[in-house]
Amino acid sequence: EVQLLESGGGLVQPGGSLRLSCAASGFTFGSYALSWVRQAPGKGLEWVSVVSGSGARIHYADSVKGRFTISRDNSKNTLYLEMKSLRAEDTAVYYCAKARSEVVAAAYNYWGQGTLVTVSS
Amino acid sequence: DIQMTQSPSSLSASVGDRVTITCRASQGISNYLAWYQQKPGKVPDLLIYGASTLQSGVPSRFSGSGSGTDFTLTISSLQPEDVATYYCQKYNSAPLAFGPGTKVDFK
Repeated sequence: EVQLLESGGGLVQPGGSLRLSCAASGFTFGSYALSWVRQAPGKGLEWVSVVSGSGARIHYADSVKGRFTISRDNSKNTLYLEMKSLRAEDTAVYYCAKARSEVVAAAYNYWGQGTLVTVSS
Repeated sequence: DIQMTQSPSSLSASVGDRVTITCRASQGISNYLAWYQQKPGKVPDLLIYGASTLQSGVPSRFSGSGSGTDFTLTISSLQPEDVATYYCQKYNSAPLAFGPGTKVDFK
């Protein structure tokens, strides 16, 4: 059974930093691209970032480029999102999502339960 | 960047109705289009990928069509458990944008 378990969310002040983790199990981790998708309270889904299975390909949404860094440790079956210079508009539930294939151009067939990030003073 | 739009933004229908949701890309994306269902308070679920391929386990009343810039999600006979917000997503190239969503509920 595929499982994705996010952690690391919480309350942070504007300008602060946070590191999210997504621990995965139930599939061959390095064979699939992984993504972060966020959802602000009461709003729609916003794609944030994606990394290919090997880690060679990485892409970001313009809204987070230069502030967020996605990475993965295929030896630990874990995906990360390092978030810096956080803003109020980054407040959202952050979902880890598994792609259907190794490449970044793929739909997401499994999602974690999400972790809430609140940016507020 | 390619923009994704959906129409309508919301709709109300009755049990058994045929429901159609449209998704449009501002530029052609071939068939790199997915549809997701998000029930209230739940995590999104993949319904369709490749514009028309049904994800395993998804009821056959859901279907998708289209290619290029115009896509459609159809629910052939709306069921009570289909109350949800439906999102399309392009995944041909980054950014892998989602549409704004279509909220479906009952009259």
